[in-house]
Amino acid sequence: KQEVTQIPAALSVPEGENLVLNCSFTDSAIYNLQWFRQDPGKGLTSLLLIQSSQREQTSGRLNASLDKSSGRSTLYIAASQPGDSATYLCAVRPGNQFYFGTGTSLTVIP
Amino acid sequence: DTAVSQTPKYLVTQMGNDKSIKCEQNLGHDTMYWYKQDSKKFLKIMFSYNNKELIINETVPNRFSPKSPDKAHLNLHINSLELGDSAVYFCASSLLADYGYTFGSGTRLTVV
Repeated sequence: KQEVTQIPAALSVPEGENLVLNCSFTDSAIYNLQWFRQDPGKGLTSLLLIQSSQREQTSGRLNASLDKSSGRSTLYIAASQPGDSATYLCAVRPGNQFYFGTGTSLTVIP
Repeated sequence: DTAVSQTPKYLVTQMGNDKSIKCEQNLGHDTMYWYKQDSKKFLKIMFSYNNKELIINETVPNRFSPKSPDKAHLNLHINSLELGDSAVYFCASSLLADYGYTFGSGTRLTVV
């Protein structure tokens, strides 16, 4: 069964820093991987979707990479801002459903 | 023009009651899901329907029963609510395996 792990569980950085969030998964047979953001008490907002044939996706200050063979993905956030504070969730899709990691809680300090 | 909408947003009810949560998507997706997010924020799938057909049914108490009248709607009915059912329930939809999820904003269920 697919297991998804996110490290670190929590991260606190000063504003302006570049940072990397990590996601690892146990079964490399996936269709795609999706990064989400969840603000406290809110729903999940999709950030980036990477297909299994792709190596990376970019959106603004966000860049997500995928190394399927090693079961790893990273989410790079450039020039972090206080508004980036949220929980970031990684999810992988081996079939009909996504399996979620436990998330990284990010705090960007002004 | 919300893509995936859930109602109600908040639900507070007493133990033993029966309640329903509704979900509708206007994206033309063919697959819909119910996820439960526990107090530790972990998301676990409960059910999935593809074109009104149940395709995923995880280990969930029989008190939970999904209903999909058409591919744009997936409702969740819960009988005899228990304290442990308190959580946030998320509806999501997708189109085929090559596409990602779109989530609803969640329903926070509190059983007292």
